[in-house]
Amino acid sequence: DGGITQSPKYLFRKEGQNVTLSCEQNLNHDAMYWYRQDPGQGLRLIYYSQIVNDFQKGDIAEGYSVSREKKESFPLTVTSAQKNPTAFYLCASSTGLAGGKGTDTQYFGPGTRLTVL
Amino acid sequence: LAKTTQPISMDSYEGQEVNITCSHNNIATNDYITWYQQFPSQGPRFIIQGYKTKVTNEVASLFIPADRKSSTLSLPRVSLSDTAVYYCLVGDRETGRRALTFGSGTRLQVQP
Repeated sequence: DGGITQSPKYLFRKEGQNVTLSCEQNLNHDAMYWYRQDPGQGLRLIYYSQIVNDFQKGDIAEGYSVSREKKESFPLTVTSAQKNPTAFYLCASSTGLAGGKGTDTQYFGPGTRLTVL
Repeated sequence: LAKTTQPISMDSYEGQEVNITCSHNNIATNDYITWYQQFPSQGPRFIIQGYKTKVTNEVASLFIPADRKSSTLSLPRVSLSDTAVYYCLVGDRETGRRALTFGSGTRLQVQP
């Protein structure tokens, strides 16, 4: 089955600890994204990557870090610098539209719910 | 950042047609308009995408006027399982990013 997976589904962390959320896709997509969603709110972009070994900050990158060493993987680290890390984290991927045509469709993973204790 | 504006919530009954309108005044020439559906504690799911005029698939229709500054998602004969949040998405003309700015969405509640 082709798709995008995130693990774990639920994650608990103590204050002051870093934690890494996993995101893997086997869709052969060039672009990958991380979003944060708070209760009753929309999605906010944390980081995105259009190609391997390159990534860009989104709207709320402070306190987060990413890497893109492989095409299929885009892990997100929530650092202790993130003041309010408890949220639902969503990873997505898309073809990336190297040709510059309009808007490409994003495919989302099931999400990871992070709770800081 | 390019913004989209949608109603915060809508209510409907089973069997009715639901129309959700999204305003996107700063849409760029190359941008498509994409709609997603999200159920609680799940990732958003693609519903439909269009550039101009009308697009229809097995799930919904999308109406886009000539000036493209708004779009309307139409869900025919909704059922209880259509209760979800619906997001309208366009590209970002200022930074060149594509489809990366989600609005707050429209929370649709379908009653029996």
